[in-house]
Amino acid sequence: GNSVTQMEGPVTLSEEAFLTINCTYTATGYPSLFWYVQYPGEGLQLLLKATKADDKGSNKGFEATYRKETTSFHLEKGSVQVSDSAVYFCVDLNRDDKIIFGKGTRLHILP
Amino acid sequence: DAGVIQSPRHEVTEMGQEVTLRCKPISGHNSLFWYRQTMMRGLELLIYFNNNVPIDDSGMPEDRFSAKMPNASFSTLKIQPSEPRDSAVYFCASRRDGDGPQHFGDGTRLSIL
Repeated sequence: GNSVTQMEGPVTLSEEAFLTINCTYTATGYPSLFWYVQYPGEGLQLLLKATKADDKGSNKGFEATYRKETTSFHLEKGSVQVSDSAVYFCVDLNRDDKIIFGKGTRLHILP
Repeated sequence: DAGVIQSPRHEVTEMGQEVTLRCKPISGHNSLFWYRQTMMRGLELLIYFNNNVPIDDSGMPEDRFSAKMPNASFSTLKIQPSEPRDSAVYFCASRRDGDGPQHFGDGTRLSIL
């Protein structure tokens, strides 16, 4: 079956560091891919999405590119802030309309 | 636009008591999901409904858990009797089929003493 694998956390970085959170998927066909963010004490919010190969989703300085050749959708940000501290989920929506969540990666940004 | 609305936001009760969590999905969304989130297990899908019909309840931990969706605008998740290990944050999410991602509520933080 389909699955989503994302790097285990916690990830701890200093403010203004470069961030990468890896995510790979296994799926037949071409799923839509999403990153969700969960800030402390809150629900999950959609951060960005990409619906086809080579699409780049972006929001709040975060970016992720849908790479079919490596089945990846890595999340990146050039300069993180303390307010980016949260849990990030990589999500796959396959062509059967089934949603698969990664296990989440906790990010701590130190001032 | 109103998002997914869950109530209560917090619930603290003693073990053995019945607990009912409520969810109002976004109007026009026809799929509704209940999730449980704990530090140990992360985010787990408990059950999801499509057009008010339970489609996959394989994530429901045991018979103490039950979920209903009597109409398109309301769902409940009930735990009876509750146990301390049920303590978690319970999220409800909804989406319109074929229309991309889920939208999550703010969750219910449940503590069973």
